[in-house]
Amino acid sequence: GEQVEQLPSILRVQEGSSASINCSYEDSASNYFPWYKQEPGENPKLIIDIRSNMERKQIQELIVLLDKKAKRFSLHITDTQPGDSAMYFCAASGATGGNNKLTFGQGTVLSVIP
Amino acid sequence: AQTIHQWPVAEIKAVGSPLSLGCTIKGKSSPNLYWYWQATGGTLQQLFYSITVGQVESVVQLNLSASRPKDDQFILSTEKLLLSHSGFYLCAWSLTAGGVEQYFGPGTRLTVL
Repeated sequence: GEQVEQLPSILRVQEGSSASINCSYEDSASNYFPWYKQEPGENPKLIIDIRSNMERKQIQELIVLLDKKAKRFSLHITDTQPGDSAMYFCAASGATGGNNKLTFGQGTVLSVIP
Repeated sequence: AQTIHQWPVAEIKAVGSPLSLGCTIKGKSSPNLYWYWQATGGTLQQLFYSITVGQVESVVQLNLSASRPKDDQFILSTEKLLLSHSGFYLCAWSLTAGGVEQYFGPGTRLTVL
């Protein structure tokens, strides 16, 4: 099955700087790549996603890049704020037999230092 | 607007005891439903999925079972809890299969002692 690697596991950045999280996947049939933000004790919340027919997507300070040839995708948070501190998960999905299964990376703990 | 509710919010149970967790979604008819498990500090792993009432598919074997008795309800259960069942159980929904957005419920925190 699909496997997703996510790095780094811990990321500390200064407020106002950029943060980047990188993921790689194995299954070339995967066609949907969401990113989730999870705060302590809370459920993961979908913050941005990209489909395989796109290479770049931006929502405000969030930028997602997808390189299908290299099977890599990444999240970039520009102008980070303390409120961006959380756990971030990347995931990959390629529906098979009716299952929209999300395979998650191991997560990145982002700390934004004021 | 759709809402997803999970119950209970938290449980503390003894090893060997039974468990039943519930998930209800309102505002969407015939959603795809999913159960995920998250160890403390860990990643999320899909356990079950269901695309229609009465049909549930298992993704991993963790001595758990799931059922979908109604279109808007998804139940996770076991007759005998193990220590390894501790964690955060999340129900999620999507409109259809095929790489579309999944949204998570608030989750149930389970501690097995």
